[in-house]
Amino acid sequence: DIQLTQSPSFLSASVGDRVKITCRASQDISSSLAWYQQKAGEAPKLLIYAASTLQSGVPSRFSGSGSRTDFTLTIGSLQPEDFATYYCQHLNSFPLTFGGGTKVEIK
Amino acid sequence: QVQLVQSGAEMKRPGASVKVSCKASGYIFTSYYIHWVRQAPGQGLEWMGIINPSGDSTTYAQKFRGRLSMTTDTSTSTAYMELSSLKSDDTAVYYCARAGLHNVADHWGQGTLVTAST
Repeated sequence: DIQLTQSPSFLSASVGDRVKITCRASQDISSSLAWYQQKAGEAPKLLIYAASTLQSGVPSRFSGSGSRTDFTLTIGSLQPEDFATYYCQHLNSFPLTFGGGTKVEIK
Repeated sequence: QVQLVQSGAEMKRPGASVKVSCKASGYIFTSYYIHWVRQAPGQGLEWMGIINPSGDSTTYAQKFRGRLSMTTDTSTSTAYMELSSLKSDDTAVYYCARAGLHNVADHWGQGTLVTAST
């Protein structure tokens, strides 16, 4: 099975900060990676797929980059509504595992 | 708009089975696979498996094989997830999600809390 390691697992930041979350795969997954945002008590929401394609309706301050084993989710200017937990997921082969999550909290 | 509406919370004894439904609307049900994902209290997301809309092809995560069954009913655009031999650590919120382009989970149900406890 492919393992995904996210870092950091916890991040404290201020409104307006530029934030980067990384996701490392245990083997080459090409660009088969998605990012989700989950707020407390809610279902996850798709942000980015195919490593860098922004899902329709998602603000442009979110961006994704990377390929093969190393990926990054960047939030260009953190907004109050962005405080949440973020997960990566690979879609290369079954099982489609998730990373452990990164909780972004207000500094 | 695309909607996935799941059945309500369930409380079961260890050893019992639970069946969660996921009714789809706003799109052609037979054109998209359905994922099932769970989340234990305070924990991360765990992918359980995927089913094609006609119900004749499933892939389950290894840890659930033997006690997980996914089915569909195309006449009602509903997907089902049944987990048997429940243990206390099966207590979680269970989500269905539509598998869109590249198999990404692009629309999610609201989640169903399943509690396995004596």
